Amino acid sequence: DTGVSQDPRHKITKRGQNVTFRCDPISEHNRLYWYRQTLGQGPEFLTYFQNEAQLEKSRLLSDRFSAERPKGSFSTLEIQRTEQGDSAMYLCASSLVSGESPGGNTIYFGEGSWLTVV
Amino acid sequence: AQSVAQPEDQVNVAEGNPLTVKCTYSVSGNPYLFWYVQYPNRGLQFLLKYITGDNLVKGSYGFEAEFNKSQTSFHLKKPSALVSDSALYFCAVKRLTGGGNKLTFGTGTQLKVEL
Repeated sequence: DTGVSQDPRHKITKRGQNVTFRCDPISEHNRLYWYRQTLGQGPEFLTYFQNEAQLEKSRLLSDRFSAERPKGSFSTLEIQRTEQGDSAMYLCASSLVSGESPGGNTIYFGEGSWLTVV
Repeated sequence: AQSVAQPEDQVNVAEGNPLTVKCTYSVSGNPYLFWYVQYPNRGLQFLLKYITGDNLVKGSYGFEAEFNKSQTSFHLKKPSALVSDSALYFCAVKRLTGGGNKLTFGTGTQLKVEL
């Protein structure tokens, strides 16, 4: 059973460029989450999907950010016109939500994708 | 709204001594509580969670945590610390109902275990 996989692990980009991160969740997990973590802070929620449906987006997710999960499996997070303030680690996570304990499921995180905007 | 406070930025402990990493939470209704550990430049690893039932929860690598509803706390403990336990520890909370099933994290506590 492989864990959550993220690609690329590191990305350096110039301000104004677009970047895309990919996340492959644990097989059979129906929920997928994106979080952002900056130095010295805990992860902050960005958005999550139930299968292919994007059910919630944080106010942190500006209109330059877009996330998709087209077939309910892998997901992409695109940042357009990057700014230096976008520099952070972007964490993907997944979980299996069941009817018995929908909130008690464990959320498993990937290794993260580091973004540096120069 | 839900929130987590980790009052200590850093905890230092000698190897072999017991360790405690503190966490308090604020959430409407009953909470789900989690502890994660993060090693440098890595993602978060799940340690343990409290859903319901016994207030003392046992998790990975010998860690345990005690849920205290009256004090709204969920402190992480280990009877005997190892140097390899040195890492960044995050407490997180989810609401029992609603809240979109998302975790809210504290700012983290750096644990340093010395010989």
